[in-house]
Amino acid sequence: KAGVTQTPRYLIKTRGQQVTLSCSPISGHRSVSWYQQTPGQGLQFLFEYFSETQRNKGNFPGRFSGRQFSNSRSEMNVSTLELGDSALYLCASGRQVESTDTQYFGPGTRLTVL
Amino acid sequence: AQSVSQHNHHVILSEAASLELGCNYSYGGTVNLFWYVQYPGQHLQLLLKYFSGDPLVKGIKGFEAEFIKSKFSFNLRKPSVQWSDTAEYFCAVKELDSGGYQKVTFGIGTKLQVIP
Repeated sequence: KAGVTQTPRYLIKTRGQQVTLSCSPISGHRSVSWYQQTPGQGLQFLFEYFSETQRNKGNFPGRFSGRQFSNSRSEMNVSTLELGDSALYLCASGRQVESTDTQYFGPGTRLTVL
Repeated sequence: AQSVSQHNHHVILSEAASLELGCNYSYGGTVNLFWYVQYPGQHLQLLLKYFSGDPLVKGIKGFEAEFIKSKFSFNLRKPSVQWSDTAEYFCAVKELDSGGYQKVTFGIGTKLQVIP
C-alpha cells in the first residue's frame, strides 16, 4: 500500500507570494491533518479535514487555509508569505473511523521563504 | 488547551546505555498516546501507541513506554540503545472529546544522539 505523498518536496518562495501544497493520503483514508514543523516550535497543528469538511483548526492566522477534495486529497494554501513561514509542512492521513485510529505521516514539503 | 511536555530536548548516550525520555501531558480526559520517531532524512514513523488496557506498551525496535495516568505521563524507554537509534523522538497525545472529535498535540521533540 502506498504511503502518504506530498508535493512538491521542496519549494522556495519570496515574501508576499502565495503557495499551495498538496497531500495525497493513503488509499482508503478519509482524514488529512496538516502540521508545521520548525526547530523552535516542534510540530504545530494547522487543521484537519475529514470527508471534505474542516473539523478543527489550530492557532494560525487566516493566511493559512486548506481544503479537501472528494477523493480525500488535500491542499494547503499560504497567502502573503512571511519569512517565519519557512518550515517543513507535514501531512498526515488516517481513517478516523474509530478513536483508536493512527495517523501516518508523509515526507513533508520543505518551504523556504526568502 | 492540551499541552505536551518533553523534558529533555537533547540527550547524548553511549551505545548500550539505557534510555528514558519523559513525556507529560495536561489533558484530564480520555487520551490516546503515541511516540513517533524521525530518523535523519526520513519522515515521522510511529514507534508505539497506547489506547487502553495494559499501561506498558511495547513498540518496534525494542522500545517500550509506560502510561501512568495519575502522573499524566507516558515515558519512553529502551534498555540498551544502539547507534541506529540516533533520531528525534516526539510524544503525541490525542484527546477524545464527547463530540467524537479528536485532536492531536505533539511535544517539541527530543533529539537523541547515540555515540558508538
